[in-house]
Amino acid sequence: DAGVIQSPRHEVTEMGQEVTLRCKPISGHNSLFWYRQTMMRGLELLIYFNNNVPIDDSGMPEDRFSAKMPNASFSTLKIQPSEPRDSAVYFCASSYTGAFGQPQHFGDGTRLSIL
Amino acid sequence: DAKTTQPPSMDCAEGRAANLPCNHSTISGNEYVYWYRQIHSQGPQYIIHGLKNNETNEMASLIITEDRKSSTLILPHATLRDTAVYYCIVRVGERFNKFYFGSGTKLNVKP
Repeated sequence: DAGVIQSPRHEVTEMGQEVTLRCKPISGHNSLFWYRQTMMRGLELLIYFNNNVPIDDSGMPEDRFSAKMPNASFSTLKIQPSEPRDSAVYFCASSYTGAFGQPQHFGDGTRLSIL
Repeated sequence: DAKTTQPPSMDCAEGRAANLPCNHSTISGNEYVYWYRQIHSQGPQYIIHGLKNNETNEMASLIITEDRKSSTLILPHATLRDTAVYYCIVRVGERFNKFYFGSGTKLNVKP
């Protein structure tokens, strides 16, 4: 079975540009999570969706960050305008919440570098 | 969520069992214990989870103490490819399963 698919795998762009990260969750999963990982702060949860609805975006750092999930098989995380401090690895994860205790499954991440 | 405590690093000889401890003394009755690992900068990989009983799958075994205040992840025959950061997470098994990752244990498997 295909796992969580993220694109692009690497992104290098200049400060001020718009950046869009994409995620395709595992088919049948109804929850989707966006994380950011840096050396300083470790792995942080940014936002998560259940049945395509944002449930908790308290981890989104500021208004420059936005996330959408237009359907059950696709989500985007957008940064506009981007800044050098946004450089990090961004992970998407999905899980099935129809039963208690189900684990999250992660994609391979997008390594983002803002120059 | 209950807090977890893990040693920052451990060494293990290749071919030997790796036993990774995790303390979660404030765990409540409906909280699950999850283990993940992260190799280099790859996405965290799910290993195993449990509530009360010991669990085993093709990757590892999870031993949870009777009082549920601590657990041990066992890799029965560690290989060099098992070198990674291992995270122990305690989370209520509610619908949305929101995880918080700590610092984990860096396991170094040596030849």
